[in-house]
Amino acid sequence: DTGVSQDPRHKITKRGQNVTFRCDPISEHNRLYWYRQTLGQGPEFLTYFQNEAQLEKSRLLSDRFSAERPKGSFSTLEIQRTEQGDSAMYLCASRASGAYNEQFFGPGTRLTVL
Amino acid sequence: AQRVTQPEKLLSVFKGAPVELKCNYSYSGSPELFWYVQYSRQRLQLLLRHISRESIKGFTADLNKGETSFHLKKPFAQEEDSAMYYCALSEGAQKLVFGQGTRLTINP
Repeated sequence: DTGVSQDPRHKITKRGQNVTFRCDPISEHNRLYWYRQTLGQGPEFLTYFQNEAQLEKSRLLSDRFSAERPKGSFSTLEIQRTEQGDSAMYLCASRASGAYNEQFFGPGTRLTVL
Repeated sequence: AQRVTQPEKLLSVFKGAPVELKCNYSYSGSPELFWYVQYSRQRLQLLLRHISRESIKGFTADLNKGETSFHLKKPFAQEEDSAMYYCALSEGAQKLVFGQGTRLTINP
């Protein structure tokens, strides 16, 4: 499968624990995006990387959230001290540079905070 | 601020009937508009974009800047069109702003 992959697909954790998700983009894509989707809503933008540089962060990304893309390839999204409100589907997408290129989405990581 | 509104959370039509999924947006610049689709147990995927002006799986969407709308249409619905549809906009190469989605059900 040469598409965007995410790991794990499901994560159940207790409130207050830290969790980390991984996204592997399509190999030649230099742009990587994280979105969050809660029940009944469309995906909401969290943050965006071009290569290893994090170029934009949403105000949804509180100081408990951190994202990295250290070598411009895979990315990680960490949530510290999880809260029940963090329960959501976390989506990763990647695209190539250039105008009008499509964002390709991964299958998502579903987080449940108990 | 950028915003995308899909007024219908649920839409149900019979097979063979026309389908129209509504999308309105607010944006001061020149956005790029998209329709994404998510079939059952599959990932989100691009259906079409206004730049391409093409028909995909019989669906078309016309950008109406005067009405700030980008409605998705298909003249004859098929059962395999049942899915979740999201309208989205983007400025340049940046983030996508999604609507809340419309669940389309095609009844046999």
